[in-house]
Amino acid sequence: DAGVIQSPRHEVTEMGQEVTLRCKPISGHDYLFWYRQTMMRGLELLIYFNNNVPIDDSGMPEDRFSAKMPNASFSTLKIQPSEPRDSAVYFCASSLSGAILNEQFFGPGTRLTVL
Amino acid sequence: GDSVTQMEGPVTLSEEACLTINCTYTATGYPSLFWYVQYPGEGLQLLLKATKADDKGSNKGFEATYRKETTSFHLEKGSVQVSDSAVYFCALRRTGNQFYFGTGTSLTVIP
Repeated sequence: DAGVIQSPRHEVTEMGQEVTLRCKPISGHDYLFWYRQTMMRGLELLIYFNNNVPIDDSGMPEDRFSAKMPNASFSTLKIQPSEPRDSAVYFCASSLSGAILNEQFFGPGTRLTVL
Repeated sequence: GDSVTQMEGPVTLSEEACLTINCTYTATGYPSLFWYVQYPGEGLQLLLKATKADDKGSNKGFEATYRKETTSFHLEKGSVQVSDSAVYFCALRRTGNQFYFGTGTSLTVIP
């Protein structure tokens, strides 16, 4: 398996622009997580899905952030409009319920820079 | 609520030195405990895990023992290498698939 795939790996944009981050989970996994990592706040859970349904979005910082999972093999995290303080590395992870320990598998991350 | 507290870094060690990164947790019940490692420019990878009290997880020379009495899961390695330079995250999972991660501890090993 190719693992969790994220695109783009790097994104540089200007303040006010819309940004869309993409994630393809491991085939067969039924949980998908979006995290944000910054030096100041560490690793933060933004939102997670189970069977394509959002379960907990309490970590989404504000209405500028939205996430969708239209099918089991694709999810997006959108920021509109983007701000410099959104600059961070965004990780997607997936896991399989029922598996021993439900280990989370992480993608390589998208490094977002908002100028 | 559930949480994980791990020692702050950064930690800098010479090659072949001993490593301990402290991790304590707060949770009801009996969570599963994990250490994840993040190498530069990469996502997190599972390093080791333990599911119940007194379990010892081990991998790549690293070990951690699930201590229920002290609610701890300290990461140890007897002799670190330059290639161990990374950020280490302690995490717990109580029920469901949601993990709670610590803030991460950066380790740099110098030759």
